Amino acid sequence: EAGVAQSPRYKIIEKRQSVAFWCNPISGHATLYWYQQILGQGPKLLIQFQNNGVVDDSQLPKDRFSAERLKGVDSTLKIQPAKLEDSAVYLCASAQTYNSPLHFGNGTRLTVT
Amino acid sequence: GENVEQHPSTLSVQEGDSAVIKCTYSDSASNYFPWYKQELGKGPQLIIDIRSNVGEKKDQRIAVTLNKTAKHFSLHITETQPEDSAVYFCVNSGGYQKVTFGIGTKLQVIP
Repeated sequence: EAGVAQSPRYKIIEKRQSVAFWCNPISGHATLYWYQQILGQGPKLLIQFQNNGVVDDSQLPKDRFSAERLKGVDSTLKIQPAKLEDSAVYLCASAQTYNSPLHFGNGTRLTVT
Repeated sequence: GENVEQHPSTLSVQEGDSAVIKCTYSDSASNYFPWYKQELGKGPQLIIDIRSNVGEKKDQRIAVTLNKTAKHFSLHITETQPEDSAVYFCVNSGGYQKVTFGIGTKLQVIP
């Protein structure tokens, strides 16, 4: 089966600019996650979708971050405006359902200067 | 989900030796305990998982043990090889569908 696809692979922006990341999960996977991974740390959950509904966005900085999963398939994560501390790898993962293995993409490395 | 503590944060072993990584959790509703391996520049990849109705699971050189009473689970890698060098994460999936990663253990296998 094809894996989780993410784009772009790398992105460099200046602070206060906006950026968007795209994720295409494995076909048929109902659950989709966005994680932020700062260098040397474990992934931190930003938002979890079940189909196109939000299950958990308690750690999403909603004043600057937004995410959507239209039609319960692809998802986009947006940051506007970006801050220096947003520099991290943004990982997308999908799973058949809750409590099943997560399949990760290779992430988007964001550098904010 | 909720809190999950993982240790050690770094671990160096000689090739052929065993490595053990431990995690403790707080949510009594937790019932799924996967372990992920992350190599440089890649996303985490599942290497083994266990559910709460099982105490131990093995897959070749990798095993996971679960003690629900004590609320801890461990990853065991035997006969370590250089390609086992990576960062390993325990994950806790508890009530309210929360999925929490540990801080990670950087394992170095010395040839």
